[in-house]
Amino acid sequence: KQEVTQIPAALSVPEGENLVLNCSFTDSAIYNLQWFRQDPGKGLTSLLLIQSSQREQTSGRLNASLDKSSGRSTLYIAASQPGDSATYLCAVRGTKHMYSGGGADGLTFGKGTHLIIQP
Amino acid sequence: DAGVTQSPTHLIKTRGQQVTLRCSPKSGHDTVSWYQQALGQGPQFIFQYYEEEERQRGNFPDRFSGHQFPNYSSELNVNALLLGDSALYLCASSLFTGSSGANVLTFGAGSRLTVL
Repeated sequence: KQEVTQIPAALSVPEGENLVLNCSFTDSAIYNLQWFRQDPGKGLTSLLLIQSSQREQTSGRLNASLDKSSGRSTLYIAASQPGDSATYLCAVRGTKHMYSGGGADGLTFGKGTHLIIQP
Repeated sequence: DAGVTQSPTHLIKTRGQQVTLRCSPKSGHDTVSWYQQALGQGPQFIFQYYEEEERQRGNFPDRFSGHQFPNYSSELNVNALLLGDSALYLCASSLFTGSSGANVLTFGAGSRLTVL
């Protein structure tokens, strides 16, 4: 059974700092790994998706890396801003096909890292 | 561009009652997944619907059931509600591309269920 762990559970840093969020997973047989952002009481916003064949993805101030063999991913946030305050969730999609021709497997999420950027 | 819409946004039920939650997928999407997110936890996969059939199911009891309609919208039904069913229920849609792992999920804002 796939398990996803995120460290730290909570993080509070001053504005402007660069920071790293960590995600680890127990089963390396994944199709992809995705980082999401969740604001309080809201749904999830996809930030970055890394396919299993890729090593990293970048979007603006965000950079996500993937080391599938070691079961690890990191989300790097550069020059943090108060608007970055949210919970960041890591999720992996396994390789099990649910029906012929492929199709989406359920995602396995970590519990998230609650990030606070102090103005 | 309409994203994923869910209704109701909040609801309160008592133990033993039944609830139906609704989801309209993003325009152009044909697959709907449901997730349960308890307070302080990550979302947990309930099930997924494609072509009006349940295609995969997570570790949830039969009290949780669903349906997908020809217009791709979906319902989640929970019978005999327990206190532990209190959670944010998230719907996510995607487009089946025939290539597993390539599709990105778009999530709705969720339905907050409180069971008293």
